Amino acid sequence: SQQGEEDPQALSIQEGENATMNCSYKTSINNLQWYRQNSGRGLVHLILIRSNEREKHSGRLRVTLDTSKKSSSLLITASRAADTASYFCATDTSSASKIIFGSGTRLSIRP
Amino acid sequence: ETGVTQTPRHLVMGMTNKKSLKCEQHLGHNAMYWYKQSAKKPLELMFVYSLEERVENNSVPSRFSPECPNSSHLFLHLHTLQPEDSALYLCASSRDNLNEKLFFGSGTQLSVL
Repeated sequence: SQQGEEDPQALSIQEGENATMNCSYKTSINNLQWYRQNSGRGLVHLILIRSNEREKHSGRLRVTLDTSKKSSSLLITASRAADTASYFCATDTSSASKIIFGSGTRLSIRP
Repeated sequence: ETGVTQTPRHLVMGMTNKKSLKCEQHLGHNAMYWYKQSAKKPLELMFVYSLEERVENNSVPSRFSPECPNSSHLFLHLHTLQPEDSALYLCASSRDNLNEKLFFGSGTQLSVL
């Protein structure tokens, strides 16, 4: 069953703007991860945030986690054309040895 | 680039064929995974291997048969597939089976005719 769900499903912004994607999940987690996928390729890990963390930064990426709302957000600042990709959140299920992915947000950056 | 190599990149097969997908990781990881990615659906976890032992079989039909001969190699044997099995099959590895960072291969795009 699906654990994480991203919102919006698709997002188109102008280059230079900030992009925000959200992820909601259903059950308790140990950590939440964000991945990026270029069309027809494998996923690339971006950032991992643990359940006892509220915010994490990596370069132009900022991730927040609100365990009370069971939600996370990924912010990409000063977007570039090369950021065009699909972005997925992934959660572990605490009780099982698996990582479950959401449906993803397709991000398009207009030049 | 990621240290996980999948072959072939593309595969077209008939429903009566038998084929195998191969995955190799050069990262010294102990856990390997098969995921299926269909259009407009979330990634579906198929199998998890930890130290060459299968620890997860996510209700996958028997026409998909995994094999993990050692911690660096993972195979997915395909037999009498259906057109709805057409998808991108992704292999991943991680240091261990504790739900941490996954390293993915580029995938095999499979078309079943």
